[in-house]
Amino acid sequence: EIVLTQSPGTLSLSPGERGTLSCRASQSVSSGKVAWYQQKPGQAPRLLMYGASRRATGIPDRFSGSGSGTDFSLTISRLEPEDFAVYYCQQYGSTPRTFGQGTKVEIK
Amino acid sequence: QMQLVQSGAEVKRPGASVRISCKASGDTFSSYYMHWVRQTPGQGLEWLGIINPFGTATSYAQNFEGRLTMTRDTNTLYMDLNNLRTDDTAVYYCASGFYQFDYWGQGSLVTVS
Repeated sequence: EIVLTQSPGTLSLSPGERGTLSCRASQSVSSGKVAWYQQKPGQAPRLLMYGASRRATGIPDRFSGSGSGTDFSLTISRLEPEDFAVYYCQQYGSTPRTFGQGTKVEIK
Repeated sequence: QMQLVQSGAEVKRPGASVRISCKASGDTFSSYYMHWVRQTPGQGLEWLGIINPFGTATSYAQNFEGRLTMTRDTNTLYMDLNNLRTDDTAVYYCASGFYQFDYWGQGSLVTVS
């Protein structure tokens, strides 16, 4: 099973700032099959990125993803008030599909 | 665009079984692989299993082999989890997509106590 470790656990930023979230895998993820999800309190996760760097439908371009092998990242170029949430990475290159433990992006 | 609407909250005793449903609309349900994922405060998000578009093949996470059954019909996905334990208390989500999870249901809280 591939274990995903996200860092930092909490990221405190102000609106307009840039934020970078990290996701490290315990072994190489096949073909960059990593997705990122955003979750707000009381809501289901929402797909942001897939294939490490492809934005899902309707996701603004201030969100970008990168990485390969074992190291992946999600960058939010300029934080908007609606971006404060918990972000999870997920790998779907092997079974079982696994998630990171999440990074909370909070208002500083 | 697919909408997934799940059944309501359940309270069960240890050892009991629970069935959760996930009704799809807005897109061709029969084209989609479907998953169940659960979320607990302690374990975060945990993938439970996948079922193919025809309902003829399933794959379950090892921890749920023998306790979890996923089925589907024309527009609804089902999850049956038996021999419930207190640590099965969680919000259970259905999600669609073979690779990434494109659409999610709203979640169903299962409390085992």
